[in-house]
Amino acid sequence: GDSVTQTEGPVTVSESESLIINCTYSATSIAYPNLFWYVRYPGEGLQLLLKVITAGQKGSSRGFEATYNKETTSFHLQKASVQESDSAVYYCALGGQGGRALIFGTGTTVSVSP
Amino acid sequence: GGIITQTPKFLIGQEGQKLTLKCQQNFNHDTMYWYRQDSGKGLRLIYYSITENDLQKGDLSEGYDASREKKSSFSLTVTSAQKNEMAVFLCASSRRRDEAPLFGEGTRLSVL
Repeated sequence: GDSVTQTEGPVTVSESESLIINCTYSATSIAYPNLFWYVRYPGEGLQLLLKVITAGQKGSSRGFEATYNKETTSFHLQKASVQESDSAVYYCALGGQGGRALIFGTGTTVSVSP
Repeated sequence: GGIITQTPKFLIGQEGQKLTLKCQQNFNHDTMYWYRQDSGKGLRLIYYSITENDLQKGDLSEGYDASREKKSSFSLTVTSAQKNEMAVFLCASSRRRDEAPLFGEGTRLSVL
């Protein structure tokens, strides 16, 4: 079936360190998968961080990057140097033509310590 | 700009009670969704609707009813609240099914 698996949290990193959150997907019923990262900051609603709809392309936002790798069915989220304000819950999601609605991973809680 | 408004923000119910959650969007989006969020389980799809009066079941539809009488609104009913149930219900909307949906801030449910 269609599914998303991401790094289990919580993840704790120090400010200015690098961060990677792994995400892999399985898309058996979706003809052209689209991949998304959503984020929920403390006290705020869930919001789109970035999306990539074409395999091989990279999306970026707020210093985060993710590359859509069709060969490894992965969409890992990376940031070279995190800040305390990056503390949040990050969700990888899969959608696209043929899908019913976005399928979400379980979320990864990231805490950045000063 | 548009907004997705969920009411109420907090809902406390009794076991066996029928509870209704409401969602309104002013983006003029065709597709609306209800997701349930439990700690450690991510977001799970309950119902979605691709147009007024359309309803499609998600993976978690058992125990819920939904209604889309107007394009701008999508309500969800918990048919019989389960004791000690705690979850956040998220409403979302998008222009099309394959587009990234926008989310409301959620309704937090607690059942005593």
